[in-house]
Amino acid sequence: GEDVEQSLFLSVREGDSSVINCTYTDSSSTYLYWYKQEPGAGLQLLTYIFSNMDMKQDQRLTVLLNKKDKHLSLRIADTQTGDSAIYFCAEVQDYKLSFGAGTTVTVRA
Amino acid sequence: DVKVTQSSRYLVKRTGEKVFLECVQDMDHENMFWYRQDPGLGLRLIYFSYDVKMKEKGDIPEGYSVSREKKERFSLILESASTNQTSMYLCASSLRQGASEAFFGQGTRLTVV
Repeated sequence: GEDVEQSLFLSVREGDSSVINCTYTDSSSTYLYWYKQEPGAGLQLLTYIFSNMDMKQDQRLTVLLNKKDKHLSLRIADTQTGDSAIYFCAEVQDYKLSFGAGTTVTVRA
Repeated sequence: DVKVTQSSRYLVKRTGEKVFLECVQDMDHENMFWYRQDPGLGLRLIYFSYDVKMKEKGDIPEGYSVSREKKERFSLILESASTNQTSMYLCASSLRQGASEAFFGQGTRLTVV
């Protein structure tokens, strides 16, 4: 299938906000997902947004969805060292989850 | 607590060997998946299964096969391992196809020498 695209690296200072961007491909995707992978571990679902929503907030996480541009973003407020990880954007394509390449977030002191 | 368990964290195999990667889930999920993770390429779907004895090719099935004889177990088979199959392999399961949360195992890092 076509690719879900995201930038590969993000460096952020501790306490600042992080914004990770993603462009997806299937306008009929019902759900869009953000997964987090910590070093040496599998992926864990971080949050998701239903396609009829523009925004979803969950504690320090804010997901924004622009369906017209097929653009999804994840904002992490007050970024902490424990937020250092790889973040994957994912959409449903042909009933299967299709992932972006992942954005490696590095939090510096 | 939901759990997807992969049988090995690290494996080293020789070129030409037959390799089995095992995955077990305890959530009674219908769907199971095998992905391969490579730097800069993200996760690519190798095979998936939506029922016992059912399998579907993903995006990169060449050089791989799978087996699902029981609902809880999904095996990935490398018939004749090659160095370009050196990678991280991730197993996942989900309750329904697509629009439900996928749970991942911890991954198996396979090195083919």
